[in-house]
Amino acid sequence: AQSVTQLDSQVPVFEEAPVELRCNYSSSVSVYLFWYVQYPNQGLQLLLKYLSGSTLVESINGFEAEFNKSQTSFHLRKPSVHISDTAEYFCAVTPFSGGYNKLIFGAGTRLAVHP
Amino acid sequence: ETGVTQSPTHLIKTRGQQVTLRCSSQSGHNTVSWYQQALGQGPQFIFQYYREEENGRGNFPPRFSGLQFPNYSSELNVNALELDDSALYLCASSPTSGMNTGELFFGEGSRLTVL
Repeated sequence: AQSVTQLDSQVPVFEEAPVELRCNYSSSVSVYLFWYVQYPNQGLQLLLKYLSGSTLVESINGFEAEFNKSQTSFHLRKPSVHISDTAEYFCAVTPFSGGYNKLIFGAGTRLAVHP
Repeated sequence: ETGVTQSPTHLIKTRGQQVTLRCSSQSGHNTVSWYQQALGQGPQFIFQYYREEENGRGNFPPRFSGLQFPNYSSELNVNALELDDSALYLCASSPTSGMNTGELFFGEGSRLTVL
C-alpha cells in the first residue's frame, strides 16, 4: 500500500519570496509521482509529474520538484511566487503496475501568497 | 476540446436517500475515475470505469456504485446516504486505463451535503 504525507497544511508567503511545499511518500513498490493544483472553485490540474529519467522536473509556470528516492520525497519549489499561485497543492503517487488510474493523494497544502 | 463536466454542482440530501452524480469525460477519453474529497482532505479513489466495466476499486462499500455508457460518460450512485458521505465528488477522465500518460483530467466536482 502507498501513503502520502504533506508536511504543511498551510504555507503563507509574501509575493516574490521563494517557497517549498514538502511531500513524503511511503510505498513498498516503485511509484510515479505528481503534483496537482486546485485553484479556488476549479477542478484539480496536473502541475508536474515524475515518471522516469531526470529526477528534477519542471512546470511551465516556474515550479519544480525533485524526486529523492532515498528520502522518499518529492518536494515542490518555486524561487519567486506570484499572487496568482494562491491555491491548494496536492502531492500524489501511483504504483508502476497498478493497471488503472488510482492516485493516492496527500491531504493538501494551502499556499497563500500575500502582497 | 471539451473538458470534463459534472452535474449537479451542488446538492443537498438527507440520510438514507439515494443520489446520482453525472460526468461527461473529455473528448477522446475512454476511461473515467471517481474520487471523494472530504473537507480538509485529499481526494480518495472510489473506482474506475473502462469500456463500460469497473476495472479498479478503492476502499468504499458496495452502496457506492457506478456506470459507464457507450459515449464514455459516467454516473456515480450512492445508496443509503450517511452523514459522512458529505464531500466533493470529483470525476476524472484519461485516454487510457493505466497511468501511462501520467495525467488525469478532473472536473470541478459535485458538492454533496447530507443532512
